[in-house]
This record gives sequence, structure tokens and C-alpha cells, in this order.
Amino acid sequence: EVQLVESGGGWVQPGGSLRLSCEGSGFTFRSYDMTWVRRAPGKGLEWIAYISGSGEFVYYAESVTGRFTITRVNARDSLFLQMNSLRVGDTALYYCARGASGSHYMDVWGKGTTVTVSS
Amino acid sequence: SYVLTQPPSVSVAPGQTARITCGGDNIGSKSVHWYQQKPGQAPVLVIYDDGDRPSGIPERFSGSSSGNTATLTISRVEAGDEADYSCQVWDSSSDHPGVFGGGTRLTVL
Repeated sequence: EVQLVESGGGWVQPGGSLRLSCEGSGFTFRSYDMTWVRRAPGKGLEWIAYISGSGEFVYYAESVTGRFTITRVNARDSLFLQMNSLRVGDTALYYCARGASGSHYMDVWGKGTTVTVSS
Repeated sequence: SYVLTQPPSVSVAPGQTARITCGGDNIGSKSVHWYQQKPGQAPVLVIYDDGDRPSGIPERFSGSSSGNTATLTISRVEAGDEADYSCQVWDSSSDHPGVFGGGTRLTVL
């Protein structure tokens, strides 16, 4: 079964850091682009960060550029999101999703991990 | 950056047809993808590349795109279709290429 499982969410104060992880199984992880998407309470989906299968190419949303870093370790079928300088507005449910090269749609999603930024 | 505009809500009676629009500058030149998200669940891809359906998605779901508008059409709407629907594109000309629309809440009356 193709599966993505996120972890690492939690509560953090503004200005703090968190590192999210996503582990893939049931597919050849290194062959797929990966994306982080979040959904804040009462808001819609927000695309956050993308990394190509090799890790060579990365892109970020303007809202997180300079604060978040997406990486992957294909040998461990794992994707990461390092989040620094967190803001209250970063509070959301964070999903990792498997991407399709070329068209860049996301065909497999994890269940998400919750990040709460509050003082 | 590229902007996708969706109506906040659409309501339809069971058995009728729901049409959810996604507006963007010359969106017809891009590949549009649609996701369904029910409360407490992860998003599910329902349409990719404007009008293709992943396996397991009912034929009642279809999509089209032309000019400045893409449309997700759900025929013979069922109570179980009630959810949030979001469109998404990849703007390859941008430094921040991933874009979602604001989402549309479909209510089945």
C-alpha cells in the first residue's frame, strides 16, 4: 500500500523552530517529487514547498521563503521540513504529498501533522 | 504571483449538477488539478491535467479548462460529495510556482 506518514508537529512559541518528517512506503520514493502543503484553521490549502526526486530542485511559497527548508533523504524514504522563525500565522495542519513530475499534481497525501504556534 | 479565484460556496440539490469554477489569467494554457477534502480527512485528487480522473474516482466527476476559467463538474450529486474543493496549478514562470485556489465549499441541500 502506498502511504505517507508525517510526524514532528507540536506546539512552539513564536520565533521557535520545528522539524517535520514524512516517511514514504509502498513506492520508489526517489522517483517522485514531494511537496508540503498546509491548511490553517478556517482557510484553504496552501502550497508551501517542493523538492524534486533527486533533491536538485527546490521551490518555496513566498510566505515561507527564508524561514523554511525542504530536504529529503532518499536512502531513508524520508522528506523533511525545517521550520524556523515560526509565526502565529504558521499554525496549520501540515501535509506531505507525492507529486507527479511534469504536471506537478499531488496524487498521494499523508494524514497530516499539526503545528501550533502560540505564546 | 499567479492567483486562482474560486467562489467560496456552491449549493446544489441531490441528483443535480454542481459546477465549481476556478479563475486565473489564461488558465487554459496551464494544467489544472482539483482536490476534494472532507472534514477531518486528507485531500484527495479528483481531476488532474484539466480533465483526467485518477483510478477510483467516479465518472460523475469531470473537468474542463479554457480561456480564463477552469471548471469542475460533478453530475448526479450525492450527499457524500459534500466537501471543500480546491483547484491547483503550477506556474513555471514564477519563483513560487505552486498555487492553490481559495477553495469552494460544496453543500448538498
